[in-house]
Amino acid sequence: SQQGEEDPQALSIQEGENATMNCSYKTSINNLQWYRQNSGRGLVHLILIRSNEREKHSGRLRVTLDTSKKSSSLLITASRAADTASYFCATDKAAGNKLTFGGGTRVLVKP
Amino acid sequence: NAGVTQTPKFQVLKTGQSMTLQCAQDMNHNSMYWYRQDPGMGLRLIYYSASEGTTDKGEVPNGYNVSRLNKREFSLRLESAAPSQTSVYFCASIPPGGTDTQYFGPGTRLTVL
Repeated sequence: SQQGEEDPQALSIQEGENATMNCSYKTSINNLQWYRQNSGRGLVHLILIRSNEREKHSGRLRVTLDTSKKSSSLLITASRAADTASYFCATDKAAGNKLTFGGGTRVLVKP
Repeated sequence: NAGVTQTPKFQVLKTGQSMTLQCAQDMNHNSMYWYRQDPGMGLRLIYYSASEGTTDKGEVPNGYNVSRLNKREFSLRLESAAPSQTSVYFCASIPPGGTDTQYFGPGTRLTVL
């Protein structure tokens, strides 16, 4: 079973627009991470937010975490064609660093 | 640093054949992981190794075995491949110090006929 569920499953936007995707999870977590996967490649870590944090920024990325709703959102501002990829949330429930991944959001940024 | 490397990149097997997927990291990481990714889905943990000499089952361990040969290498073995094991396999590792960030290899695309 998958801990995280991303929404939407797919997103198509124009270059320069913002992209927002959401992740919901079922059980308490230690931290939540977002990863990007370009077609046919491995995953690349984007950002980690701990359970006691509510918002985090990294460049054009903004992540929020609402532990009361068991949800997180990833915002990519001023999107570029190079942002075209699948984005996955992953939750770490406890020590041991075993991540549970959601099904991903496929983002297409049209030039 | 080469990071996390995986061999082979592609493999086609017949049902019942065996093979070993190799993973190595040159970053002095302690924890290593094997995942599988089925089409249109997220990754599911097969096995992991918190340190050299230790291995533990993940979410989907059936049909697989692993070996943590040394600190650098963590191999995944399919003893008798089945079509349900057709997938892309990713190896990952985490540096010491509790950063929790996983570094992924490029993947091995396996097809079982």
